[in-house]
Amino acid sequence: AQTVTQSQPEMSVQEAETVTLSCTYDTSESDYYLFWYKQPPSRQMILVIRQEAYKQQNATENRFSVNFQKAAKSFSLKISDSQLGDAAMYFCAYRSANKLVFGAGTILRVKS
Amino acid sequence: KAGVTQTPRYLIKTRGQQVTLSCSPISGHRSVSWYQQTPGQGLQFLFEYFSETQRNKGNFPGRFSGRQFSNSRSEMNVSTLELGDSALYLCASRKDRGPSPLHFGNGTRLTVT
Repeated sequence: AQTVTQSQPEMSVQEAETVTLSCTYDTSESDYYLFWYKQPPSRQMILVIRQEAYKQQNATENRFSVNFQKAAKSFSLKISDSQLGDAAMYFCAYRSANKLVFGAGTILRVKS
Repeated sequence: KAGVTQTPRYLIKTRGQQVTLSCSPISGHRSVSWYQQTPGQGLQFLFEYFSETQRNKGNFPGRFSGRQFSNSRSEMNVSTLELGDSALYLCASRKDRGPSPLHFGNGTRLTVT
């Protein structure tokens, strides 16, 4: 069974600085999708960024980028120029057999 | 375009009762998935419906069931509620069963007393 591990329960970053959230996963499949979702206090899960496993190029969405290392099964999220609105719980997720497997989440705190 | 709508937002029930949660997907989305979120277990997949058929199911007891209607709206039912069923229930929709990402609703917070 696929598993997703987020080893950082909580992270803090100063406003305007950069932070990296870690994620590793375990799978025997070669074709899959990886996602980062953000869950603010409003509870709604918001898609931040996604990566197709067959693409070698790392995905980028404005201030958000990933470092996808397929051989190492690593999928970290980098947030540049952190803003107060980035404070939330971040979940790494792996899509397999049409269901998402989520990591335990990382709470990101942004200090002003 | 309206997002995924879940009703109600909050629900309080007592043990032994049953509950029905509703989810209206984004217009044009045919796939609806349900997830349970608890502090202890995190986010766990319940089931997925596509074109009114259950396509995938997580490891939950038979007390948890769902259905999808012809307009893609979905309901989830939990019978004989237990204290451990207290959780945030999230519904997510996507256009098809391919690579399109899930779009989540705000969830229904269920408290069982």
